[in-house]
Amino acid sequence: DAKTTQPNSMESNEEEPVHLPCNHSTISGTDYIHWYRQLPSQGPEYVIHGLTSNVNNRMASLAIAEDRKSSTLILHRATLRDAAVYYCILRAHNTNAGKSTFGDGTTLTVKP
Amino acid sequence: DAGITQSPRHKVTETGTPVTLRCHQTENHRYMYWYRQDPGHGLRLIHYSYGVKDTDKGEVSDGYSVSRSKTEDFLLTLESATSSQTSVYFCAISEPIEASSYNEQFFGPGTRLTVL
Repeated sequence: DAKTTQPNSMESNEEEPVHLPCNHSTISGTDYIHWYRQLPSQGPEYVIHGLTSNVNNRMASLAIAEDRKSSTLILHRATLRDAAVYYCILRAHNTNAGKSTFGDGTTLTVKP
Repeated sequence: DAGITQSPRHKVTETGTPVTLRCHQTENHRYMYWYRQDPGHGLRLIHYSYGVKDTDKGEVSDGYSVSRSKTEDFLLTLESATSSQTSVYFCAISEPIEASSYNEQFFGPGTRLTVL
């Protein structure tokens, strides 16, 4: 299975943008890039996903490199509530989601 | 929030005792999953189910068994608990949509299990 690589930790100041990178150099043509986040003492929650084009939703934006070997999750204005572990996952559509692997993710610290 | 509950939420048990964790959903989703999460690490898949009585192993299935007799319930059993099974256990559900990229998982609140 294709794997992802993320930095262990990142810091941001409150109300500033945050760019969380993810490398997935062995991504296959059918893999979607999904992002989840896990707030302290909670289960993970879905953030965003995309295939080739950049995507926006109310939580974040996803920028995908043209060769699809990397992507960046963008939080436009970090708040203290965005402090969490962020996971980048590759997942084929319409399949058993459990086949995709959660790595160790990036722990985002937001400073007031 | 997706209707997923886990019980118990916290449990302390002794080595060698059997333990059963329950995941209950009200979303009628086809897939259900059990993960474990150890401190400072991501989630690892234990077992999953793709329908009633249809289950399969994940990457860390040794020492665990599962059962799904109804769509809404997925049980995880530790036949003889060991200290290495001390962890936080998360249940998840999903229902991929045909001809769509939608394949989101919804997670429960977790069960913290301590094996002494």
